[in-house]
Amino acid sequence: EAGVTQFPSHSVIEKGQTVTLRCDPISGHDNLYWYRRVMGKEIKFLLHFVKESKQDESGMPNNRFLAERTGGTYSTLKVQPAELEDSGVYFCASSPQGPPYGYTFGSGTRLTVV
Amino acid sequence: TQLLEQSPQFLSIQEGENLTVYCNSSSVFSSLQWYRQEPGEGPVLLVTVVTGGEVKKLKRLTFQFGDARKDSSLHITAAQPGDTGLYLCAGVYAGGTSYGKLTFGQGTILTVHP
Repeated sequence: EAGVTQFPSHSVIEKGQTVTLRCDPISGHDNLYWYRRVMGKEIKFLLHFVKESKQDESGMPNNRFLAERTGGTYSTLKVQPAELEDSGVYFCASSPQGPPYGYTFGSGTRLTVV
Repeated sequence: TQLLEQSPQFLSIQEGENLTVYCNSSSVFSSLQWYRQEPGEGPVLLVTVVTGGEVKKLKRLTFQFGDARKDSSLHITAAQPGDTGLYLCAGVYAGGTSYGKLTFGQGTILTVHP
């Protein structure tokens, strides 16, 4: 079974530019989550999709962040325009059902905004 | 804001020693998960605990969920260099608005010296 795939693995962009992160969940997993770890801080929840619908987007920092999940398959997270404080590691995770089922995480995208 | 306090943040021990990592909160969890993360990878699920007082064992790792479901511990017996890594606890709070949202502790970086 293929795992959760994220790309790019690394991205370095200038402040003000746009970046799009992509996540391909495990096939058949209806639940898809985005998390972020900023340096020195704990991993924090961004949002949760169930199929193509946003179940909870309470963790999205501001309206510069836009997440989509087309057709309930892969998801994208766009940051536009990027700011310095957006730097961090963005993780995607998927699960067939919500907790207590565990998540399968991708390897993350390390975003650096300079 | 619900916080999950994880301690210690750093642990450096010799091979063969025992250790315990703690996760504490003032709020009740509906479930709690433990993950292990290697550099450059995403967290990998070790165990999920759901019932107050529950104890689960995974080889030399013992996971315990507090009776009141507000705290959890991870105990490693006779640690080995292969246990080196980042250990994370993550919980879903009871009564939360999102059944899928995990709140993470800050993590414990464990180093086991040969």
